[in-house]
This record gives sequence, structure tokens and C-alpha cells, in this order.
Amino acid sequence: DIQMTQSPSTLSASVGDRVTISCRASQSISRWLAWYQQKPGKAPKLLIYTASTLESGVPSRFSGSGSGTEFTLTISSLQPDDFATYYCQQYNSYFRTFGQGTKVEI
Amino acid sequence: QLQLQESGPGLVKPSETLSLTCTVSGGSITTNLYYWAWIRQSPGTGLDWIGIMSYSGSAFYNPSLKSRVSISLDTPKNQFSLKLNSVTATDTAVYFCATSPSQDSYFDHWGQGILVTVSS
Repeated sequence: DIQMTQSPSTLSASVGDRVTISCRASQSISRWLAWYQQKPGKAPKLLIYTASTLESGVPSRFSGSGSGTEFTLTISSLQPDDFATYYCQQYNSYFRTFGQGTKVEI
Repeated sequence: QLQLQESGPGLVKPSETLSLTCTVSGGSITTNLYYWAWIRQSPGTGLDWIGIMSYSGSAFYNPSLKSRVSISLDTPKNQFSLKLNSVTATDTAVYFCATSPSQDSYFDHWGQGILVTVSS
């Protein structure tokens, strides 16, 4: 199976900050990568798929980039509603795997 | 807007079978637009994909669970179900049902999740 490694595990930031989260795949996954946001007690919410395509309704301050094994989620100006845990997920094959998560805290 | 809702027992005894149901509203389970999936989340292992099934009957399972898991569709009730047998404490997790646009894709709609604890 393909291992997904996110960094950092925890990120401390302030409202208005530019935030970057990294995700590395153990082998090339082309651009078959999604990003999710999860808040406590809630299900993950799809933000981005195919590495950089924004899901409908997701604010434009979220963006994704990368291909192959290295990917990045960027929040251009952190808002109060953005404090949450973020996960990457590869879907290079039917056997999908997730990163361990990055918690964005105040 | 498609909505999913999990239901089932919150407590299962070790060695027994975990059975959960996902009720779909706002769309039909017979559509070819979605595949129907289960995912679980535990503090120890994070998010794990369990399996996925299409209306046509194609099913794919996580290799680590394949010998114990099955997913089925109940079209009259517009539901799909998960069965995981011979459970142990390591199967304690929040279980989510979700949809995917294809057999190997992201998950675009999620249920709220249900906590299942395996304990005697």
C-alpha cells in the first residue's frame, strides 16, 4: 500500500497567516490526491481533489499543488473557521490511504 | 443534496459481527454516479478505508480487512450496509459511510459517523 506522510503534525498560527501543509507519498501517485478538513466530532469535508481542483463551495483561500510524490495545501489567509485538522488522501488505486493529519491550532 | 446517515449498535462484543447501515436520502442508491463506501477512524490508526461497492455489484475491500468484511446494497430501502466479523478491540472506531465518484477516487459526501466500541 502507498504510505502518506504529512508535515507538520501540528501547526500553530494566527488569523490572517499564510499556512502551508505538506503531504508526501511513498511512491508516485501522479495528481491523484485529495485534501479534507475535519472539525471535532464531525466527518471530514472534501476541500480539493486531483491535487488542485477546488470542490464546489470551498473558499478560494484554499489551494493545492504538487504532483508525483510531493503535495501542498495552502491557506492564503487563515480565518477563524479554518482551525481544524487537515488530511491528505491518495487514490492512485482502489486501495485509498490517508495521511495522519495536520492539526492547525491557534 | 445527497445525505448519508449511519445507524447500528454502538457496542459489540469481541468475536461477534459488527453490522452498520447507511441510509441515503436526496438520491438513489441505484445511480451510476456514485460508489458506496465505508471508512473508519480511530485514535490509533487514523482514517482507514474499509471498502467500496457500486450498484452494479463491483466491490473492493482493504486487503487487511478483506477476509472479515462485506458491503451490500438494499435498493428497496435505499441503504447500504457493512458487516465486519470476528471483531476485536482494535476495531473500535468511528465508522463513516461515504460516496465516491468512482471505484478509485476521493470521497465527496460523508455521513456524520457512528462510534462503535468493541468490548465485553
